[in-house]
Amino acid sequence: GAVVSQHPSWVICKSGTSVKIECRSLDFQATTMFWYRQFPKQSLMLMATSNEGSKATYEQGVEKDKFLINHASLTLSTLTVTSAHPEDSSFYICSARLPGLAGSRSYNEQFFGPGTRLTVL
Amino acid sequence: SQQGEEDPQALSIQEGENATMNCSYKTSINNLQWYRQNSGRGLVHLILIRSNEREKHSGRLRVTLDTSKKSSSLLITASRAADTASYFCATGTGGGNKLTFGTGTQLKVEL
Repeated sequence: GAVVSQHPSWVICKSGTSVKIECRSLDFQATTMFWYRQFPKQSLMLMATSNEGSKATYEQGVEKDKFLINHASLTLSTLTVTSAHPEDSSFYICSARLPGLAGSRSYNEQFFGPGTRLTVL
Repeated sequence: SQQGEEDPQALSIQEGENATMNCSYKTSINNLQWYRQNSGRGLVHLILIRSNEREKHSGRLRVTLDTSKKSSSLLITASRAADTASYFCATGTGGGNKLTFGTGTQLKVEL
């Protein structure tokens, strides 16, 4: 259980185009999903917290107009990289938080998607 | 930056040996988690230890937490080539909030 998928797994696009990445929780409902970016041989950096039915919360330094997040349902969040440039090339990973009661094992546990490799030419 | 630090950055051992990775963090936490990432793939959750716990075991994994020193360690016993991956610690500050990841340790287990 607790499977998260991402689509596409990789994408190559031209500079200036927009790219949409989907994150789905397949067997549970996730009111909260997270989007991370990971550059080669580096750690994951949180970009934003996606909340179902409300606006996403962006981390400091992340441009909300460039990285559009939509969490329209309890199983789907999308990240759109608008007007992508080569410096946006990265590995984008989403996660979904498994709802749980405080004190339970699943509390605060996140399940990660397989990631999307974006290359902007 | 609130990002934690891990050491060593890279570790190369022989199959059958034990591997120890350390993680230090900066703020008070609710829990600390360890994840594994194979090259170019997503993360796999390994183990979660709460701030009121000092040690936890899961199979060949042993995690310790010292909140007074703001540090944690992950021990993998009897390592296998399949354990080759990057390992990250991540701290949670409670309330189901976001995770802050450490810098990661790249483990290579050679036959």
